[in-house]
Amino acid sequence: AQSVTQLDSHVSVSEGTPVLLRCNYSSSYSPSLFWYVQHPNKGLQLLLKYTSAATLVKGINGFEAEFKKSETSFHLTKPSAHMSDAAEYFCVVTDALSGGYNKLIFGAGTRLAVHP
Amino acid sequence: DTGVSQNPRHKITKRGQNVTFRCDPISEHNRLYWYRQTLGQGPEFLTYFQNEAQLEKSRLLSDRFSAERPKGSFSTLEIQRTEQGDSAMYLCASSSSRAPGNTIYFGEGSWLTVV
Repeated sequence: AQSVTQLDSHVSVSEGTPVLLRCNYSSSYSPSLFWYVQHPNKGLQLLLKYTSAATLVKGINGFEAEFKKSETSFHLTKPSAHMSDAAEYFCVVTDALSGGYNKLIFGAGTRLAVHP
Repeated sequence: DTGVSQNPRHKITKRGQNVTFRCDPISEHNRLYWYRQTLGQGPEFLTYFQNEAQLEKSRLLSDRFSAERPKGSFSTLEIQRTEQGDSAMYLCASSSSRAPGNTIYFGEGSWLTVV
């Protein structure tokens, strides 16, 4: 079965410093992987996705993630944090057994705090 | 394209009452999903529709829960005889099987508090 582990429940950075949010996945198949962001009282917004093309994926707002099959990781990074990046971030894997309709399996989330 | 719309955004109900949530997907999206998110957790899959057909239900969806999508457009999620454990945010999402990548778009969610 597919699963996702987000290694940090909380990450705190200073504005202008790099961001690293860690995610490991477990999958018996070649997975599709996503990062979603959730701002307070808002819905989930797709940041980026990996679907077996380039292993380095660029997303919105300067975020990127690298798929590393040997490490079963899909860490999210950003070179310079902005105050508006403060939010909850979810690493997500699709359920390959879901018949192609992309049932999403979410990690528990990482809350990113950005300090001035 | 107005995005996925959910109503009501917040609902407070007494234990034992019935509640219904509505989801309007992005127009032309043939796939519609319901997820549930409790505090401090990631969303969990509840059920999935392709057009009007409900193709899968999670074991999380007890007999008190029922979801419909009668005309393949909007959907409703009804919870009967609510319990305190039902308190959560209910998220609706939609996608198109015809769009490249089948990206899933989420609504802002409906918060349920059972007192």
